[in-house]
Amino acid sequence: QVQLQESGPGLVKPSQALSLTCTVSGGSIITGGLYWTWIRQHPGKGLEWIGNVYYSGRTYYNPSLKSRLLISVDTSKNQFSLRLSSVTAADTAVYFCARDRGYSNYDYYGMDVWGQGTTVTVSS
Amino acid sequence: DIQMTQSPSTLSASLGDRVTITCRASQNVSSLLAWYQQKPGKVPNLLIYKASSLERGVPSRFSASGSGTEFTLTISSLQPDDFATYYCQQYNTYSGLTFGGGTKVEIQ
Repeated sequence: QVQLQESGPGLVKPSQALSLTCTVSGGSIITGGLYWTWIRQHPGKGLEWIGNVYYSGRTYYNPSLKSRLLISVDTSKNQFSLRLSSVTAADTAVYFCARDRGYSNYDYYGMDVWGQGTTVTVSS
Repeated sequence: DIQMTQSPSTLSASLGDRVTITCRASQNVSSLLAWYQQKPGKVPNLLIYKASSLERGVPSRFSASGSGTEFTLTISSLQPDDFATYYCQQYNTYSGLTFGGGTKVEIQ
């Protein structure tokens, strides 16, 4: 079955960029109707949708993060990536990648496959 | 942005209890809603999609209903594996996705 795995630095300095990659295995990222998604969870808090990317490269971003955010897809590697610039301590969180089955005919199908999550700490 | 408000934020219950969690949207989200379960230190798990459809492999004691702005998740008979935090999540084409603040189900 499809599995997702996040990778990237666990420690980022303030004002620098946070970059993570999610590798998709057991299935192709080039699958219609699926949106490849980033979500984060601040320590002890709830879930926050960061944004997603379609295999075509089309992206959808959380408006509150949009000015600092870049999500991209590399279909040749079956990966998608997150880059969040100008990070502060408020960006310290567990970052998850997930597969969103998306929306069709006024129905929403939810995020059914998740990576294990990776902890990113912003600190000097 | 569409805000999702869950109540209660914490719920204390006993094994075998019927438990209901409410999620309210700040505007109409139709049936574009999902529910997730998350245990401490674990990954969220999709329980419900299309507001009321049970995800494959999820026990039938879980059910959900609602449309528009008010939704509920019900556990018909609470089991030891059900003590966790539950999140609702809406989908909107224009403003994106938002999660509720979560409801922690604790042992009474």
